[in-house]
Amino acid sequence: DQQVKQNSPSLSVQEGRISILNCDYTNSMFDYFLWYKKYPAEGPTFLISISSIKDKNEDGRFTVFLNKSAKHLSLHIVPSQPGDSAVYFCAAFTQGGSEKLVFGKGTKLTVNP
Amino acid sequence: EPEVTQTPSHQVTQMGQEVILRCVPISNHLYFYWYRQILGQKVEFLVSFYNNEISEKSEIFDDQFSVERPDGSNFTLKIRSTKLEDSAMYFCASRRQVKGSVEKLFFGSGTQLSVL
Repeated sequence: DQQVKQNSPSLSVQEGRISILNCDYTNSMFDYFLWYKKYPAEGPTFLISISSIKDKNEDGRFTVFLNKSAKHLSLHIVPSQPGDSAVYFCAAFTQGGSEKLVFGKGTKLTVNP
Repeated sequence: EPEVTQTPSHQVTQMGQEVILRCVPISNHLYFYWYRQILGQKVEFLVSFYNNEISEKSEIFDDQFSVERPDGSNFTLKIRSTKLEDSAMYFCASRRQVKGSVEKLFFGSGTQLSVL
């Protein structure tokens, strides 16, 4: 039961261009969404989040967009840098409910110099 | 910067053996988790732990699994009789607040468990 889906296992972009990572969810009870970044041999680290009361949240080069009606969110990285190469996980949870995060499978981003 | 520490980084065991995965959460954190990721799959929640008891567990966390906080600093995951399908990367995580501020969840670098 994949409540959080990241359908692209990998993405390759050129340095300086935009990276767009996509995530879909099925559980309408989710009301908070996060993106985590994971380098090899390290644990996931928090990158950016968005509440369901918003449709956009921006932090420097990173912007997350939420389309609740489509149950879709995306992470935009612009401009992409080689150091952004990592696996990106989308995660969701329900505030006030279970405090566990539900993760997608991840998308491996490669930014080529 | 404080961090969640996990040992060992790699663990190889024979099927049917018991393993204990160890974690040292950040010192003033109160809420602890174990997650795992089977190769190529999603990161899956196993169990959460607060105030010396399990808060929530997934269907994966059956009787073969147990958690313990034996001494106020360590947080351990025990698998009594390992199966091949237990092979995965196991992540420990912790955070200070019981509710809210989920962004403040910090993960360790993981223990890669290989069951042969």
